[in-house]
Amino acid sequence: SQQGEEDPQALSIQEGENATMNCSYKTSINNLQWYRQNSGRGLVHLILIRSNEREKHSGRLRVTLDTSKKSSSLLITASRAADTASYFCATVSGNTGKLIFGQGTTLQVKP
Amino acid sequence: SAVISQKPSRDICQRGTSLTIQCQVDSQVTMMFWYRQQPGQSLTLIATANQGSEATYESGFVIDKFPISRPNLTFSTLTVSNMSPEDSSIYLCSVNDGSYEQYFGPGTRLTVT
Repeated sequence: SQQGEEDPQALSIQEGENATMNCSYKTSINNLQWYRQNSGRGLVHLILIRSNEREKHSGRLRVTLDTSKKSSSLLITASRAADTASYFCATVSGNTGKLIFGQGTTLQVKP
Repeated sequence: SAVISQKPSRDICQRGTSLTIQCQVDSQVTMMFWYRQQPGQSLTLIATANQGSEATYESGFVIDKFPISRPNLTFSTLTVSNMSPEDSSIYLCSVNDGSYEQYFGPGTRLTVT
């Protein structure tokens, strides 16, 4: 089962611009994670934000979490063509370690 | 971090046959999971592979269709049984080493004709 929605489903921007992707979820969470997937390959873990955190940074990535709205956003600044990929949010509830994924956003960065 | 390998990386199979996918981790891990990614879709959890006991399946997935083994803390297999074209997907294993972070294998791309 999917946890919730991601929007937009697809995003196309020029190199150098910022890209923002949003994720909503339905249940209480332990943490929320963002992953990148290039061309149907394995997933790469980008960043994890715990339920008691509101914002986190990693390089050009900025993630926010609003547990009252059950939503998160991923901002990629100064995008590069190499950022072209699908991005997924995933939530973890309790101690099971199970990831429940959102629908994903396909990002295309044009050189 | 954990390094995960999967075999095969891809396969084309005939309807009605079965395929076993292997997942090998370079270190002992407590939690292992199997996911399915249908074409153009997100990932859906199939089951949690439990070491020494039966796997725990998610709603919509059953042991007869997706038998899973986990003989030790570094290895697991997923079998896709009696395949149909609807089983064409990428199958990924993942592990959690006890931290919050989860690591994914490169995936097995299955096409059923």
